[in-house]
Amino acid sequence: GENVEQHPSTLSVQEGDSAVIKCTYSDSASNYFPWYKQELGKGPQLIIDIRSNVGEKKDQRIAVTLNKTAKHFSLHITETQPEDSAVYFCAANSNSGYALNFGKGTSLLVTP
Amino acid sequence: DSGVTQTPKHLITATGQRVTLRCSPRSGDLSVYWYQQSLDQGLQFLIQYYNGEERAKGNILERFSAQQFPDLHSELNLSSLELGDSALYFCASSVAEFPRNEQFFGPGTRLTVL
Repeated sequence: GENVEQHPSTLSVQEGDSAVIKCTYSDSASNYFPWYKQELGKGPQLIIDIRSNVGEKKDQRIAVTLNKTAKHFSLHITETQPEDSAVYFCAANSNSGYALNFGKGTSLLVTP
Repeated sequence: DSGVTQTPKHLITATGQRVTLRCSPRSGDLSVYWYQQSLDQGLQFLIQYYNGEERAKGNILERFSAQQFPDLHSELNLSSLELGDSALYFCASSVAEFPRNEQFFGPGTRLTVL
C-alpha cells in the first residue's frame, strides 16, 4: 500500500528560527496532502493541507510545498514559538482514495 | 475543539475482554474514520463509514468491528483483547466520502489492556 516517509523524527530549534519537516510518498495517484499537529494528550489537529494542483500554500507562519515529480512535500514553520512544540504528522491519501496514510511523526521542540 | 466527540476518554480492561468505543462526528459530517495510534506503528487507518455504510478497510483485525448508526455516530468494537491492543484510538470525521477533504480528529480513547 501507500508508504509515507517522514524526516526527521525529532527536531530541536531555538525560538525564532525556522523548522522544516519533509515527507515522501510512493503512490503517484495521491493528490491530497494534509499536515497535522498533535499536542500531548490531544487528537491530531489539521494545520494546513495542499492538493496536487498547487505547488505551495501559505498560512501565516506555516507553509507547505509539494513536488509531485519527486513525490515529496514539506512543512515550513517560520519564526517558531515555544507553543509550536508538538508532534507533526504528514499524510497522503491512498491509492484507493478512501484513507489517509500517515508518516511516523516529527517531534518538534522549540526552546526559548 | 474539533467538534468530534469520543467516549470514554480512558478505558482499562483485561485480556480477553470486549469493549466499545463511541464517536460522534461533527455536525453535518457524513464520514467517520477510525485510527489506531501506537508508539511503534504510528497512526494506522482501521476503517471508514460513510452515511451508515462501510467504505474502506485498513489494517483492522478480525477481532475488531465497527458500525455507523442512522444518527451518524459510530462505535468501534474490540473483542478478545490482547496486550498489544493497548493504544490510542481516534475517530475522525469529514463532510465527504473521500479523504480529499479535511478530516477532523476527536480527542481519542486511551485503551489499556492488562
